[in-house]
Amino acid sequence: NAGVTQTPKFRVLKTGQSMTLLCAQDMNHEYMYWYRQDPGMGLRLIHYSVGEGTTAKGEVPDGYNVSRLKKQNFLLGLESAAPSQTSVYFCASRTGQGSGELFFGEGSRLTVL
Amino acid sequence: AQRVTQPEKLLSVFKGAPVELKCNYSYSGSPELFWYVQYSRQRLQLLLRHISRESIKGFTADLNKGETSFHLKKPFAQEEDSAMYYCALARDSWGKLQFGAGTQVVVTP
Repeated sequence: NAGVTQTPKFRVLKTGQSMTLLCAQDMNHEYMYWYRQDPGMGLRLIHYSVGEGTTAKGEVPDGYNVSRLKKQNFLLGLESAAPSQTSVYFCASRTGQGSGELFFGEGSRLTVL
Repeated sequence: AQRVTQPEKLLSVFKGAPVELKCNYSYSGSPELFWYVQYSRQRLQLLLRHISRESIKGFTADLNKGETSFHLKKPFAQEEDSAMYYCALARDSWGKLQFGAGTQVVVTP
């Protein structure tokens, strides 16, 4: 049982390049989230989804887009990468019921030069 | 505004000593609080949630609404407790969590 899988795990981009991070979960979870982790700032929510075909903005959505075409996948896109987007990105998922535990991926380290 | 504050960036304790990680929150409603932990080279995982009132790996956390705190405690720290700990507040029914900045715990023998 893989849980939450993120690809790629590492990526280096040049300013202005685009890329997509893929998050896949095999737990049939309704809710999925993208967070970024920066030193001294904890984890901040970028976008989230409460079901297939739905997405919503989190705390720091600017510069990112997301899509949830399939229930098991949640994609995070950077259309024109900036050095400020250098970070570690975490995907998480949970059931849609009650006070569900978040299950996290291993993280994707992105460096924008 | 909802806020989660972890005042200590780093806690260094000796093995066998008590450890307490502070967490304060600001929230207008009825809070739902969690502690998540990230061990070296492992993914972030749930340690405790306040509604279950359980002890996990010897850790406990009590919600104090009067002081708006949810401090994490363990009476005798072990080397395997070395990790990054995050306090988190559920912002709404969609499960969005507001995380604190995190506290790095280092337990030395």
